[in-house]
Amino acid sequence: DTGVSQNPRHKITKRGQNVTFRCDPISEHNRLYWYRQTLGQGPEFLTYFQNEAQLEKSRLLSDRFSAERPKGSFSTLEIQRTEQGDSAMYLCASSLERGHGYTFGSGTRLTVV
Amino acid sequence: RKEVEQDPGPFNVPEGATVAFNCTYSNSASQSFFWYRQDCRKEPKLLMSVYSSGNEDGRFTAQLNRASQYISLLIRDSKLSDSATYLCVVNTAPGGYNKLIFGAGTRLAVHP
Repeated sequence: DTGVSQNPRHKITKRGQNVTFRCDPISEHNRLYWYRQTLGQGPEFLTYFQNEAQLEKSRLLSDRFSAERPKGSFSTLEIQRTEQGDSAMYLCASSLERGHGYTFGSGTRLTVV
Repeated sequence: RKEVEQDPGPFNVPEGATVAFNCTYSNSASQSFFWYRQDCRKEPKLLMSVYSSGNEDGRFTAQLNRASQYISLLIRDSKLSDSATYLCVVNTAPGGYNKLIFGAGTRLAVHP
């Protein structure tokens, strides 16, 4: 395990459909984060897990979004009833301890048509 | 006001030039600071941490001024491969965990 793995790399979906993304963090990292990035902007924080506990959710994460990390290892991010405004790069990152930088996965690029 | 503000650029410089990027942050409780590099359509990658005493990594020098809430990155002897977007990042660490807040990035284009 050499890095953070995200699947799928690309997803095109029709408006109103549900989508689910998966993130596999670096195995010894207990902290996992989801970010969203749109063109010309930096990554925006969505949510954070320490082990299996979801400790913070951004107000950007509407009730159509849900994230889980059931066994404290991989995580999923689901978007229900997708909207065109959900089109973005969804980035997962993991870290070992407070004060350290993150390691990001390659991201899932979502296009809602 | 955004929590982390950067000049979006682009900075267009010739090879060999020295270029400096600046960044300001609004949360005085921020505890750790980083510069990330992001290539087009790729994920951000950690370039370097930024320490209060200033730190250097090869051609890259980072400075932090806590009193002014200001962070800088200096790149000397620019290479074509330095062309990328540079993201200024602060750890606001509310409640003690590792929450990184990203600026929108400064775009650098190094030309021959």
